[in-house]
Amino acid sequence: NAGVTQTPKFRVLKTGQSMTLLCAQDMNHEYMYWYRQDPGMGLRLIHYSVGEGTTAKGEVPDGYNVSRLKKQNFLLGLESAAPSQTSVYFCASSSSGTGRDGYTFGSGTRLTVV
Amino acid sequence: SQQGEEDPQALSIQEGENATMNCSYKTSINNLQWYRQNSGRGLVHLILIRSNEREKHSGRLRVTLDTSKKSSSLLITASRAADTASYFCATDAFGYSTLTFGKGTMLLVSP
Repeated sequence: NAGVTQTPKFRVLKTGQSMTLLCAQDMNHEYMYWYRQDPGMGLRLIHYSVGEGTTAKGEVPDGYNVSRLKKQNFLLGLESAAPSQTSVYFCASSSSGTGRDGYTFGSGTRLTVV
Repeated sequence: SQQGEEDPQALSIQEGENATMNCSYKTSINNLQWYRQNSGRGLVHLILIRSNEREKHSGRLRVTLDTSKKSSSLLITASRAADTASYFCATDAFGYSTLTFGKGTMLLVSP
């Protein structure tokens, strides 16, 4: 009964470092999403995927890359971290793009870039 | 932006009282959803209301939708301290392939 699992849960990076956030879902969902949540800004979509091997840009894609090599995994990469990327990152998945059954979210990754 | 806007931004009530949150949006939608986020956790789907529905109930939750006013409300009856959380509306709008989330209402229920 795992749902959506995000790793790591916390990370501190130095400016310019790179890292990959991993999202795994066990519900056989086609759609997966990466959001960032900042105070007063709500949830903003970074990238999403409509199926294995596909990716698409969301509202705030700059500075991030993603890959969906396997249906159950969706990776978010930061090539050269900047302080502006300090945020809480959430992964979500759904059976349809507009979430007829709702989106299932992971518990988040709190990233600090110093 | 299609982003929904919740109102109020913050709400503080006593246990046993009802809590009402509102969501306004800009363009036509297929459905509208409400989510809850407990502090430090991910969002949890609460309820979905379709554009052809006017009201929907789930336990202590009541959601209304007025497409002519492009607004929705979430009512939590007989609030409990455990209802303390942020509540977000999300819209499935025509022409958009993903949900768009609002900025949320922070609800504090005091014992």
